[in-house]
Amino acid sequence: DIQLTQSPSFVSASVGDRVTITCRASQGISSYLAWYQQKPGQAPKLLIYAASTLQSGVPSRFSGSGSGTDFTLTISSLQPEDFATYYCQQLKTYPLTFGGGTKVEIK
Amino acid sequence: QVQLVQSGAEVQKPGASVKVSCKASGYTFTSYDINWVRQATGQGLEWMGWMNPNRGDTGYGQKFQGRVTLTRDTSKSTAFLELSGLRSEDTAVYFCARVANYDDNFYFDYWGQGTLVTVSS
Repeated sequence: DIQLTQSPSFVSASVGDRVTITCRASQGISSYLAWYQQKPGQAPKLLIYAASTLQSGVPSRFSGSGSGTDFTLTISSLQPEDFATYYCQQLKTYPLTFGGGTKVEIK
Repeated sequence: QVQLVQSGAEVQKPGASVKVSCKASGYTFTSYDINWVRQATGQGLEWMGWMNPNRGDTGYGQKFQGRVTLTRDTSKSTAFLELSGLRSEDTAVYFCARVANYDDNFYFDYWGQGTLVTVSS
């Protein structure tokens, strides 16, 4: 199985901060990576697919990059509604796997 | 608009089975795979399996092999997850998700609201 390691697991940040989350795959997955945002009591919401393609309707302050084994999700200027948990997911091979999550909290 | 609406919360005893439904609307049900993901309280996301609603083909995570069955009723645009031999560790919120495909890249673009399954004696 392909393991995805997210870091950090917890981020304390302020409104307006730039936040970067990394996701490392245990083997190469090309660009078959998606990022999701999840708020308490809600289903995950797709932010980025194909490592860097912004899903329709998602604010442009979110961006993704990377290929192979190393990926990043960047929030350029954190907004109050961005405080949530973020997950990466690989869709290269079954079983599909998710990273452990990164919780972004208000400083 | 695309919607996936899941059935309500369930409480089951250890050893029992549970069947969760996921009703699709706003698109052609047979044109997109449905996957299932679960999340224990305070934990991360765990992928369980996939189903092609058109052909009925399925695939399961090894952890769930032999205990999970994915089916569908195309006349009702509804997908089902059945999990048998329930144990306390199966207590979780279960999500269905639609799989989109753009340029050979797949992703989960729409999710159901989740169904809480509690396993307790």
